[in-house]
Amino acid sequence: DTGVSQNPRHKITKRGQNVTFRCDPISEHNRLYWYRQTLGQGPEFLTYFQNEAQLEKSRLLSDRFSAERPKGSFSTLEIQRTEQGDSAMYLCASSLVGREVGLPGYTFGSGTRLTVV
Amino acid sequence: DAKTTQPPSMDCAEGRAANLPCNHSTISGNEYVYWYRQIHSQGPQYIIHGLKNNETNEMASLIITEDRKSSTLILPHATLRDTAVYYCIVRVAEYMNYGGSQGNLIFGKGTKLSVKP
Repeated sequence: DTGVSQNPRHKITKRGQNVTFRCDPISEHNRLYWYRQTLGQGPEFLTYFQNEAQLEKSRLLSDRFSAERPKGSFSTLEIQRTEQGDSAMYLCASSLVGREVGLPGYTFGSGTRLTVV
Repeated sequence: DAKTTQPPSMDCAEGRAANLPCNHSTISGNEYVYWYRQIHSQGPQYIIHGLKNNETNEMASLIITEDRKSSTLILPHATLRDTAVYYCIVRVAEYMNYGGSQGNLIFGKGTKLSVKP
């Protein structure tokens, strides 16, 4: 397993277009998280899945954002009608929950950098 | 999750120990201290975590005060590749979080460590 994979690495889109990002987590991990990071700030939590169930959504996740994790494997994050304020790095992470303490925390991907022009 | 306070930036000479402080005066008894770092244009990377005992791994050492209100991350021999933003986070451990919505990683702004030759 090569870790958490995110595609594409970079995306430039025109305002008003829809975009979709993909995250492939570490295969045995049952939790998958999406974060957004703007310049100079720490990552901000957006949402997370346990297997295929979406358990929590941040207030940052407006109705233009939707995330799915069919079959509890890869996940997609779609942004509809993009706005310039959506320009950011979108990070995905995965973890294994329900085991003994001592395991490392989240494993992050390298992110997808979105630029809305 | 409890909030943490970190200095915004620190410098360290290459080859010397880097000591990064973190205050978490409102930490709860079931919350762990986690450290992550983020090298420019990459996703955050897990470094170490602990509850109350000092911890050491191949990357760093974590020293937690007896009252658990503060901690220090130590990079024993800093290299130029350790230049990054370091985040201190307190949260319940993954194994305590099975099926729940608490315990998501909440990032602050971290400490920007610059290792200089």
